[in-house]
Amino acid sequence: AQTVTQSQPEMSVQEAETVTLSCTYDTSESNYYLFWYKQPPSRQMILVIRQEAYKQQNATENRFSVNFQKAAKSFSLKISDSQLGDTAMYFCAFMKPYNNNDMRFGAGTRLTVKP
Amino acid sequence: DTEVTQTPKHLVMGMTNKKSLKCEQHMGHRAMYWYKQKAKKPPELMFVYSYEKLSINESVPSRFSPECPNSSLLNLHLHALQPEDSALYLCASSQDWGGEQYFGPGTRLTVT
Repeated sequence: AQTVTQSQPEMSVQEAETVTLSCTYDTSESNYYLFWYKQPPSRQMILVIRQEAYKQQNATENRFSVNFQKAAKSFSLKISDSQLGDTAMYFCAFMKPYNNNDMRFGAGTRLTVKP
Repeated sequence: DTEVTQTPKHLVMGMTNKKSLKCEQHMGHRAMYWYKQKAKKPPELMFVYSYEKLSINESVPSRFSPECPNSSLLNLHLHALQPEDSALYLCASSQDWGGEQYFGPGTRLTVT
């Protein structure tokens, strides 16, 4: 079974600075998807970024980028120019495609952006 | 339209009640999911429907009964729940071939 580990239960960052959230996973598969989801205090889970394992290029979405290290099974999220609205719980998730879309989440990292 | 809607937003029920949670999406997605989320924990997968057929049931107690009447709707029928079933229940949908899941805002359930 695939496992996803987020080793930082809580982090904080000053507004406008950069922060990196860590995620490691364990799998024997070669083809899979990785995601970062954000869940603000209002509860709705929002997709931040996705990465297909077969793509070597790291995904980016505006201020959000990932460092995908397939051999090391590492998938960290970098948030640049942090904003107060980035305060949320961040979940790393792993999914094997064509397997009933079974997605597994890490325990989450609570990020607080301070003014 | 990338929205998944859930009703009700909040639900309080006694242990002998029967109630239902509803989820709806109009993105043409053919896979829909129910998750249970306790406070400060990640979502736990309960059920997966693919093309209106149940494809995953993560050993969920029978007091939770899912139903997928059509490709846009997903229900979760609740009966004889326990206080430990109190949680946020999230619905999600995705393209059947994989990829990201889109989540609804959730139903906050309290069992008294």
